[in-house]
Amino acid sequence: EPEVTQTPSHQVTQMGQEVILRCVPISNHLYFYWYRQILGQKVEFLVSFYNNEISEKSEIFDDQFSVERPDGSNFTLKIRSTKLEDSAMYFCASSELADYNEQFFGPGTRLTVL
Amino acid sequence: AQTVTQSQPEMSVQEAETVTLSCTYDTSESDYYLFWYKQPPSRQMILVIRQEAYKQQNATENRFSVNFQKAAKSFSLKISDSQLGDAAMYFCAYRGNAGNMLTFGGGTRLMVKP
Repeated sequence: EPEVTQTPSHQVTQMGQEVILRCVPISNHLYFYWYRQILGQKVEFLVSFYNNEISEKSEIFDDQFSVERPDGSNFTLKIRSTKLEDSAMYFCASSELADYNEQFFGPGTRLTVL
Repeated sequence: AQTVTQSQPEMSVQEAETVTLSCTYDTSESDYYLFWYKQPPSRQMILVIRQEAYKQQNATENRFSVNFQKAAKSFSLKISDSQLGDAAMYFCAYRGNAGNMLTFGGGTRLMVKP
């Protein structure tokens, strides 16, 4: 069964460094998402992406964040200058359509900012 | 803004017994969607069951069923004949009629005792 994959599984970085988290959505899906979960807190929506542009974003998704679909398979989340509070589990998801279509989640990337 | 609350951080159930996980939400919308996601240890979240708010009939998927009380803004998950493989973190999630973002509850960790 097709799955969303994410790399790396764990990323450690120094404060102020740029990081890129990578995701490979399910191949026929058209909508892509990033969520994050700070340890001990709820899973929070960051951004959704469709037709090569952001369709929705939360207040968390400020100028230090960006997303890109650089080719036909990858979907990336870039954090330009990481802060300690960016330490979290980052989940990528994809869905075939909008409406109430199921969002399929990846296993997550644990980002640790030192 | 919508909020989703899961008041039970942890639950346990004996194998083959029935357990109910609670979820309440707050919204001013009349049309929306509700989901239960399961996250086994070290695995990705997978959709267990979903409910459209306009449907009065409660959704059922094999051993999983929901009790959707729209007026009370309550959406509980019932797991019948619990199995060891049901042990996981369960997240309740809300999606409004506009946009694709999911709003999650804090999760309930379900333990299944043999």
